[in-house]
Amino acid sequence: EAQVTQNPRYLITVTGKKLTVTCSQNMNHEYMSWYRQDPGLGLRQIYYSMNVEVTDKGDVPEGYKVSRKEKRNFPLILESPSPNQTSLYFCASSPRLAGGTETQYFGPGTRLLVL
Amino acid sequence: AQSVSQHNHHVILSEAASLELGCNYSYGGTVNLFWYVQYPGQHLQLLLKYFSGDPLVKGIKGFEAEFIKSKFSFNLRKPSVQWSDTAEYFCAVKGSQGNLIFGKGTKLSVKP
Repeated sequence: EAQVTQNPRYLITVTGKKLTVTCSQNMNHEYMSWYRQDPGLGLRQIYYSMNVEVTDKGDVPEGYKVSRKEKRNFPLILESPSPNQTSLYFCASSPRLAGGTETQYFGPGTRLLVL
Repeated sequence: AQSVSQHNHHVILSEAASLELGCNYSYGGTVNLFWYVQYPGQHLQLLLKYFSGDPLVKGIKGFEAEFIKSKFSFNLRKPSVQWSDTAEYFCAVKGSQGNLIFGKGTKLSVKP
C-alpha cells in the first residue's frame, strides 16, 4: 500500500532532550516536507527536500533540523526541544516537481508535547 | 509572498444544508490550488485540486470547487452536507518551492 509513515505517533518529552521523528514513504517520491499544525494557524512548512542530499528551509525552520540521506526517509530532528514546539507534525511527500503540479500525500501525524 | 485566506473559522450546518467555504489566494500567476480535509484525529486527505482547464473541479464525496481567476478565489461547495462531513477543511496553493501554502482552516460541524 502506498503510504507515508511517521513514528512515533505520540511523544511526550522534556525541554532540552533531543528527539527525532521519523518519516518514510514507499512511493519513490523525490519531494518530501515537514509541516507543523497549530490551532488557528493552519499548517506551516518547516523544511523540505527536493531530492537526496538536498534540503531547504520552509517558513518556520528555527529549532529544527532535517536530513535526506536516502530517498525514502526524511527524519525531523529537534536538538533541544522547547515548549513552543509542542504541536502536531505532518510529513508529506510528492512525486517530482517538474511543472510544479504534483499532489502531496500526508502521513498520519505526530503529536508532540514538550514539558 | 503568496498567501491563502479562508474566511470562516467555524461553520455550523444542519444535515442536508448546502455548503460553501470561501478561499482566496494572493498569487497572480499560474496557480495550483487544493482543498484538503482533515477528519477528527486523522491526517490530511486530498478532496480536489485545480491545475488548469475546466474551472469547475469535482472531487471526492460530492465536493466541488470553482476557480475564479478574476476574484482570486477557489471556493469549496457541496449541495447537501452529511454528519460525516464534520471535519476541518484547508485550502492550499502551491508555492514557488513546491511547498503548499495553507489557509488557517475552516472547521465544519454538521448537526444530525
